[in-house]
Amino acid sequence: RKEVEQDPGPFNVPEGATVAFNCTYSNSASQSFFWYRQDCRKEPKLLMSVYSSGNEDGRFTAQLNRASQYISLLIRDSKLSDSATYLCVAHNAGNMLTFGGGTRLMVKP
Amino acid sequence: GAVVSQHPSWVICKSGTSVKIECRSLDFQATTMFWYRQFPKQSLMLMATSNEGSKATYEQGVEKDKFLINHASLTLSTLTVTSAHPEDSSFYICSASSPRVPSNQPQHFGDGTRLSIL
Repeated sequence: RKEVEQDPGPFNVPEGATVAFNCTYSNSASQSFFWYRQDCRKEPKLLMSVYSSGNEDGRFTAQLNRASQYISLLIRDSKLSDSATYLCVAHNAGNMLTFGGGTRLMVKP
Repeated sequence: GAVVSQHPSWVICKSGTSVKIECRSLDFQATTMFWYRQFPKQSLMLMATSNEGSKATYEQGVEKDKFLINHASLTLSTLTVTSAHPEDSSFYICSASSPRVPSNQPQHFGDGTRLSIL
């Protein structure tokens, strides 16, 4: 079993739609979590950190449920520019990062 | 702040060639650098972790004699793919971290190097 698991998608949604991605992790000792965005043939870029209390950044909302070892990302009012692969990432000891397989999003006009 | 530069961004070479990829932290001293590899439609897989002045720690299944890592200074790490073959074609990404650098993320990524072996 992978340490961080995601539905690979793709999720094909129209502009303006709300879309949610889920992620599960197996290492209960993971210290913190992030969502990264990766465009084709580019390096991953930090989208947002994920907290148990939930956090929102504009159209993006992330949530962490430690009891269920579950992480979510909600994107509201999808834009064409949101099309990318979204990576769920666990931060472990020694500043190590473990990446999920990524969920591909395609927003269409 | 916390900028990481990776060079080259793209390289195409013949089978059997050795290829060196550089990773530099431009505005901070990186105590640790990480090397990842990403095959198409797959996620980033950690290859090795290197600390300045010491030998790299390789992940299981990564050949240390094939992928030579040198971390000679706090701002530079290099990955050399020796005698590269077509199956080594991939996207290689480095990252750097330092506990002394205030940041919203634990690692700072380079732009990546796309390696194509013919």
